Amino acid sequence: DQQVKQNSPSLSVQEGRISILNCDYTNSMFDYFLWYKKYPAEGPTFLISISSIKDKNEDGRFTVFLNKSAKHLSLHIVPSQPGDSAVYFCAAISNSNSGYALNFGKGTSLLVTP
Amino acid sequence: EAQVTQNPRYLITVTGKKLTVTCSQNMNHEYMSWYRQDPGLGLRQIYYSMNVEVTDKGDVPEGYKVSRKEKRNFPLILESPSPNQTSLYFCASSLQFPPYYEQYFGPGTRLTVT
Repeated sequence: DQQVKQNSPSLSVQEGRISILNCDYTNSMFDYFLWYKKYPAEGPTFLISISSIKDKNEDGRFTVFLNKSAKHLSLHIVPSQPGDSAVYFCAAISNSNSGYALNFGKGTSLLVTP
Repeated sequence: EAQVTQNPRYLITVTGKKLTVTCSQNMNHEYMSWYRQDPGLGLRQIYYSMNVEVTDKGDVPEGYKVSRKEKRNFPLILESPSPNQTSLYFCASSLQFPPYYEQYFGPGTRLTVT
């Protein structure tokens, strides 16, 4: 059962505009969330993360927002650039008495057009 | 250069022929992990290792083995590969467990089992 869901398989945005990638989760034990970016023929690379005790984390053009009550997080890219075109994976970590778990979403393919 | 390397990058094999995919990191990371990526399923964790001689199952461990005899190496072993193990495999490492620190991914190994 998919505990981390990225319901939009793809997204197309014009250069300079905002890209918003969404991620929903079902497990309330998740306490840390990460976004990874993946180019074709390469491994994923870490982009940005957020702890469950925060609701926002910003790093340059990238901002992640966390809404715990809605079990929803989003990645905002402003302004979007053609080099941002990639697949973006949302991931969540839980660490409980039964052990640790890391779950990835299926990914959203972002295309930024000039 | 800090990196995670995997070999081979591409492999075509036949059902039942044992194979090993090597993974090595030069960052003195304690935590290492293997994932497979399949269309429509995203990244799924196969096995992970918190440190030397400590390994644990991820979400999809069936049909795979791993070992962690040295800190830098974490090979993935398929004793009797089957066509449903055709996939893109990624090795990853991070400084500590749990991977609240960013994970560094290798470039991937594309495996085809006929």
